Amino acid sequence: DQQVKQNSPSLSVQEGRISILNCDYTNSMFDYFLWYKKYPAEGPTFLISISSIKDKNEDGRFTVFLNKSAKHLSLHIVPSQPGDSAVYFCAASEGGGNQFYFGTGTSLTVIP
Amino acid sequence: GAGVSQSPSNKVTEKGKDVELRCDPISGHTALYWYRQSLGQGLEFLIYFQGNSAPDKSGLPSDRFSAERTGGSVSTLTIQRTQQEDSAVYLCASSLNSGSPYEQYFGPGTRLTVT
Repeated sequence: DQQVKQNSPSLSVQEGRISILNCDYTNSMFDYFLWYKKYPAEGPTFLISISSIKDKNEDGRFTVFLNKSAKHLSLHIVPSQPGDSAVYFCAASEGGGNQFYFGTGTSLTVIP
Repeated sequence: GAGVSQSPSNKVTEKGKDVELRCDPISGHTALYWYRQSLGQGLEFLIYFQGNSAPDKSGLPSDRFSAERTGGSVSTLTIQRTQQEDSAVYLCASSLNSGSPYEQYFGPGTRLTVT
């Protein structure tokens, strides 16, 4: 059973606009969330993370929002650039545990 | 510095054969993870090593799968009697320590195709 879900397999956005990628989870014990970016033929690379004690974390053009009551997080990219075109995975872990649960990914295409 | 490396990058094997996939983690990283990504699926946790502790094998899908980590560094994932459903990209990741907030650094993966 998928504990972390990314319901949009793909997203297209015009360059300069905002990209919003969404992620939902079912396990209320998850307390640490990460976003990874993956280019073809490469492994995922860490992008940004958020702890459950926060509801927002910002790093340059990337901001992650966490809504614990809704068990929902989102990644905002502003402004979007063509180089942001990649597959984005969200992941979650519980209490410093060993296992990280990944979503199925959203393929973002930023159109020049 | 060098990142996580995996070999081979691609492996095609016949059903029923055994395969070995190798992972070289980042030097100094004590935690090592194996995942696989089947077509259209997310990353599926397989096994986790932390230092000299017993590995967490809870994600291994069957007893045909096993993994070792020698000397706390290089890891080998072995799949015996491969089946077509084993076809996937196998990803290795290492991190400085276990659990949050330590991020994992992934290798490029090994694409396994079982014919």
